Amino acid sequence: AAGVIQSPRHLIKEKRETATLKCYPIPRHDTVYWYQQGPGQDPQFLISFYEKMQSDKGSIPDRFSAQQFSDYHSELNMSSLELGDSALYFCASSLRDTEAFFGQGTRLTVV
Amino acid sequence: GDSVTQMEGPVTLSEEAFLTINCTYTATGYPSLFWYVQYPGEGLQLLLKATKADDKGSNKGFEATYRKETTSFHLEKGSVQVSDSAVYFCALSDPFQAGNNRKLIWGLGTSLGVNP
Repeated sequence: AAGVIQSPRHLIKEKRETATLKCYPIPRHDTVYWYQQGPGQDPQFLISFYEKMQSDKGSIPDRFSAQQFSDYHSELNMSSLELGDSALYFCASSLRDTEAFFGQGTRLTVV
Repeated sequence: GDSVTQMEGPVTLSEEAFLTINCTYTATGYPSLFWYVQYPGEGLQLLLKATKADDKGSNKGFEATYRKETTSFHLEKGSVQVSDSAVYFCALSDPFQAGNNRKLIWGLGTSLGVNP
């Protein structure tokens, strides 16, 4: 069965650079979530989209933005990267109120 | 607001030992409850879920029962294996959250190590 696809799997950026993370949800899923997981931490909710509209916002810094496109894939754009942005970034998708399925994550390292 | 409290880790057990990881929650209404597992270097995988009171979720020998009276969803396994070594997250999804999507509320995670 198709799963949530995230790219890239690993990304190394320098401070103050920009990064773009991509997420391809499971086909026909209408909701996408982004989470950030720091080392040894639980996932922190960043933002979500339902039917291509932002539906909820969590602890997402102003330096970050995200959108969901017409084909339902989503991108998380991160600018002016800081060392503290180094984390695992997970995308998840769901169909309305069913459980969320997670991608493998993108490991971002800011040096 | 909604919250999930998990027992702190790390938990270290010998193979074939009995496992319990406690999870309690607070929520506005009747949330759905989940256990996710994260193996080393991997993403989050749904282990089991329960959507209403007295439901029992089970998978791979793990079980958890949705107890509304104690607001708990403790994870149990009768005989752990080395391959169960991972971080386990309890989470809830509250149907009374606004909008059509329900983000997950997470516990802090419990690291389990199983020795041969």
